[in-house]
Amino acid sequence: DAKTTQPPSMDCAEGRAANLPCNHSTISGNEYVYWYRQIHSQGPQYIIHGLKNNETNEMASLIITEDRKSSTLILPHATLRDTAVYYCIVRVYNTDKLIFGTGTRLQVFP
Amino acid sequence: EAGVAQSPRYKIIEKRQSVAFWCNPISGHATLYWYQQILGQGPKLLIQFQNNGVVDDSQLPKDRFSAERLKGVDSTLKIQPAKLEDSAVYLCASSGQGVLVYEQFFGPGTRLTVL
Repeated sequence: DAKTTQPPSMDCAEGRAANLPCNHSTISGNEYVYWYRQIHSQGPQYIIHGLKNNETNEMASLIITEDRKSSTLILPHATLRDTAVYYCIVRVYNTDKLIFGTGTRLQVFP
Repeated sequence: EAGVAQSPRYKIIEKRQSVAFWCNPISGHATLYWYQQILGQGPKLLIQFQNNGVVDDSQLPKDRFSAERLKGVDSTLKIQPAKLEDSAVYLCASSGQGVLVYEQFFGPGTRLTVL
């Protein structure tokens, strides 16, 4: 079973920051937080991952709380093309198992 | 770099019929995965190959589903006979190179409708 809890849906205005929360209260010390997204009619796409420090790449930022029990994915300037289902996944680093939950459906509106 | 290719994109069959899906992974990727995604749910792993050997098929309904990757490159997933509950999107993914060696790259999927 998935080890994360996410809200089922969120809305965000185009151009604004989208902040997607994820709870992972049972995360272990060797487990990373990964984020994938799935745009309609496409396969999931890797976004970012982190252990305990905040991470940023060209797609998004990942903020992990100090106790590592929750995290937030930030899309700094959401566009209509960011409308998708976002999956937060806890995974042991350098292993290939992905256990998907039901994710958060983000709707970006004009 | 070409992505993961899957065909067909859509398939409609009647229950008890057979169906096969094809996947061509990213060149050089040793690991190949088949997932089933039922509407409203996240993908669920059915089977994982490392080259042409099976690593994990614990979630594969072996009475009706089979998969092979004979030459360690492309793969086929077969359902025989199909049931109504097999209606889903079947996703293929591959991994195995570069910095993100464990990251999975997904194909667009095959949407199966069983009537």
